[in-house]
Amino acid sequence: NAGVMQNPRHLVRRRGQEARLRCSPMKGHSHVYWYRQLPEEGLKFMVYLQKENIIDESGMPKERFSAEFPKEGPSILRIQQVVRGDSAAYFCASSPPGSPYEQYFGPGTRLTVT
Amino acid sequence: AQRVTQPEKLLSVFKGAPVELKCNYSYSGSPELFWYVQYSRQRLQLLLRHISRESIKGFTADLNKGETSFHLKKPFAQEEDSAMYYCALWMDSSYKLIFGSGTRLLVRP
Repeated sequence: NAGVMQNPRHLVRRRGQEARLRCSPMKGHSHVYWYRQLPEEGLKFMVYLQKENIIDESGMPKERFSAEFPKEGPSILRIQQVVRGDSAAYFCASSPPGSPYEQYFGPGTRLTVT
Repeated sequence: AQRVTQPEKLLSVFKGAPVELKCNYSYSGSPELFWYVQYSRQRLQLLLRHISRESIKGFTADLNKGETSFHLKKPFAQEEDSAMYYCALWMDSSYKLIFGSGTRLLVRP
């Protein structure tokens, strides 16, 4: 089992562009979580998804941010019209059915907005 | 409000010295707490859960509901313990982990 995969590992975008971050959960895992880590801070919950469903998006900024976890393929975190303040490390985690607290993390995507 | 506090950003000790990384939480429900560790250039990984009451790599943590604490301890630190440590609170009411800001442990030779 390759573990949670995230790509790209590093992403540079200019202000106003779109950023797409991908997360492939561990095999057999049906829950995906996205977290954001700003410099010198801990991980902040953004969104919790199951296949084709957003369960909790209370940590997502109201505008420009969206997430999906389609029936086939990876989960996508999409940031439209990026601004400098979006620069951060974005981590994805997955958990097996019935154990949402048992989260396995990906290596993260470091987004830099220039 | 639910919160996890790790008051120390950096903890520096010598090899063989005891280590205690502090974690305090605020949660009105029944808490379930975790310690995660991130070694240099590696992904975040679960170190231990309070509910399993186990010792991993010599680390232990006891939940103290009276003091709302879940401090991580090791009697004799090793250089390979140098890493970032995050305390996390699982909120079963909303299915999310709340992380502290982390403590960097540096174990000097």
